[in-house]
Amino acid sequence: EAAVTQSPRNKVAVTGGKVTLSCNQTNNHNNMYWYRQDTGHGLRLIHYSYGAGSTEKGDIPDGYKASRPSQENFSLILELATPSQTSVYFCASGGTPQNTLYFGAGTRLSVL
Amino acid sequence: AQSVTQPDARVTVSEGASLQLRCKYSYSGTPYLFWYVQYPRQGLQLLLKYYSGDPVVQGVNGFEAEFSKSNSSFHLRKASVHWSDSAVYFCVLSPITGNTGKLIFGLGTTLQVQP
Repeated sequence: EAAVTQSPRNKVAVTGGKVTLSCNQTNNHNNMYWYRQDTGHGLRLIHYSYGAGSTEKGDIPDGYKASRPSQENFSLILELATPSQTSVYFCASGGTPQNTLYFGAGTRLSVL
Repeated sequence: AQSVTQPDARVTVSEGASLQLRCKYSYSGTPYLFWYVQYPRQGLQLLLKYYSGDPVVQGVNGFEAEFSKSNSSFHLRKASVHWSDSAVYFCVLSPITGNTGKLIFGLGTTLQVQP
């Protein structure tokens, strides 16, 4: 069974603080993704990765950094969190060529 | 431009009724197509996928979808819905050529099944 695990599941942060969201996959997939989900916007791609050491900008990368230190782990970093980054964040992994995605359960982030 | 449109933001049906959720895509060629379901406070789960061959594909929990190249559509169907099918359904496109790994999501259709 494909597995993607996100931590933490819930996070409250202060404006201007640093937030790190972590994702681990046991699928041995090359591709990993970070999305945010907001009402009216569906899922929007923040950053993605083709493999260890690579990160690519998605459609809304501003204010976010990503790190892929290994095949299994992909982190999303908010260096200076803002209230507009309050959202639900999903990590996913995908295998080529069909790129079927497997999603984590999500992280609910509130920036106060 | 590549895109996925789910024209119905919200669909309400009675339990036991049949269901169709619509999905239209824009892509030059035949893409990989998926339907995902999201239950409250959970991540997205794969319902079914289409790569090639038989245009009608079967998924989990009695769902099926039909691919139509002429209509650029990939509609999801179920013969008889259950209250537990209430969720948000996403149609997703994965490009075949020039695959950068980026998938294209529809905005989702919220399904409410009334008892």
